[in-house]
Amino acid sequence: GAVVSQHPSWVICKSGTSVKIECRSLDFQATTMFWYRQFPKQSLMLMATSNEGSKATYEQGVEKDKFLINHASLTLSTLTVTSAHPEDSSFYICSAYRVNGNTIYFGEGSWLTVV
Amino acid sequence: GESVGLHLPTLSVQEGDNSIINCAYSNSASDYFIWYKQESGKGPQFIIDIRSNMDKRQGQRVTVLLNKTVKHLSLQIAATQPGDSAVYFCAEGDNFNIFYFGSGTKLNVKP
Repeated sequence: GAVVSQHPSWVICKSGTSVKIECRSLDFQATTMFWYRQFPKQSLMLMATSNEGSKATYEQGVEKDKFLINHASLTLSTLTVTSAHPEDSSFYICSAYRVNGNTIYFGEGSWLTVV
Repeated sequence: GESVGLHLPTLSVQEGDNSIINCAYSNSASDYFIWYKQESGKGPQFIIDIRSNMDKRQGQRVTVLLNKTVKHLSLQIAATQPGDSAVYFCAEGDNFNIFYFGSGTKLNVKP
């Protein structure tokens, strides 16, 4: 079964609204979580690295005010796409680092469509 | 930084044959590597990992080879099955602070 859960799996929103995507580690604590974005037929692009209790580290070119990341607990990180526009439509994927086991697990991804 | 591929290379193999998927990484400081499989519309699924202090690691039907000299990683799949058809990504990490993916290879298994 899944060890990292993302919610929602699918979301359609109007342009200008904000959308929150949750990433939960189900049976382990994740001090570090990663957020990725993937366009069709392309690789995953790292957006930011999120450490519990501290500010996320954003990759170059990723707007931190546009993509708000919160990692308030050891099992939950959230990505909020603020004032979404059609160009934000994409597949967003999170992953979580499992210290016990020394492995990174991925969520199933969230499809965002902005209309 | 991360690499993004606009056109995924495709590897076509016959069912039952062995598959070899290659990956070149860029960061000499990377010390942890993972192979992932991604089926259409789903998140990546962990296959096998290897640390930089190893050259080879075997799993169930899969083997990962690491050549640090030329910064090359490969995934070997034995007796490829139709269920192995997917896009395969390698990923490199440096102490889990940064984790970047390669551009991916699409594996097409012909029955």
